[in-house]
Amino acid sequence: SQKIEQNSEALNIQEGKTATLTCNYTNYSPAYLQWYRQDPGRGPVFLLLIRENEKEKRKERLKVTFDTTLKQSLFHITASQPADSATYLCALGVGGGATNKLIFGTGTLLAVQP
Amino acid sequence: DTGVSQDPRHKITKRGQNVTFRCDPISEHNRLYWYRQTLGQGPEFLTYFQNEAQLEKSRLLSDRFSAERPKGSFSTLEIQRTEQGDSAMYLCASWMTSGKTYEQYFGPGTRLTVT
Repeated sequence: SQKIEQNSEALNIQEGKTATLTCNYTNYSPAYLQWYRQDPGRGPVFLLLIRENEKEKRKERLKVTFDTTLKQSLFHITASQPADSATYLCALGVGGGATNKLIFGTGTLLAVQP
Repeated sequence: DTGVSQDPRHKITKRGQNVTFRCDPISEHNRLYWYRQTLGQGPEFLTYFQNEAQLEKSRLLSDRFSAERPKGSFSTLEIQRTEQGDSAMYLCASWMTSGKTYEQYFGPGTRLTVT
């Protein structure tokens, strides 16, 4: 069966540390993978996209890696801040650019303690 | 604010009633998606439109659900004979197919509670 799994437990880290979130999938062949941030009661907000032929992407304090052999993406937030506390969703782009249909994981709740 | 708006933000209805939600995407975006999100889960794809054409519907979308995008601008999602299992956040997102990214812009969602 097709599955997307993210860290099953909430992630609690201290301010200033690096948060690492995982996204594992089975029985999908995504053309790209996106990461979104979602705050309570609000819609997801796009953060980063990485394509199947890319290993790593960076944007400011964010870094995402994509290993299509392991079927895994890692999302890192360096020098984390309490304002980074939110739910982070990975989303697989299936059907390629023609549909841009996204299949989301369950999300990981990140709490950054001051 | 992403530029995508949804109305209403919250809706409480009794089981068996019909409800309709509206989504106004970013004006130049030709693609519009609907998702449903329940507590503790990620959004689940429901359907999407290219301009006014509905191109795909998920198996999650039962016969009680219908979506339209009559003029290729705003979209409506109607649920007939609501059930308690329909309680969820309904999200819409828009995207421009001619753009350089695959980023979808989400609205704030409509929270539906069926009592």
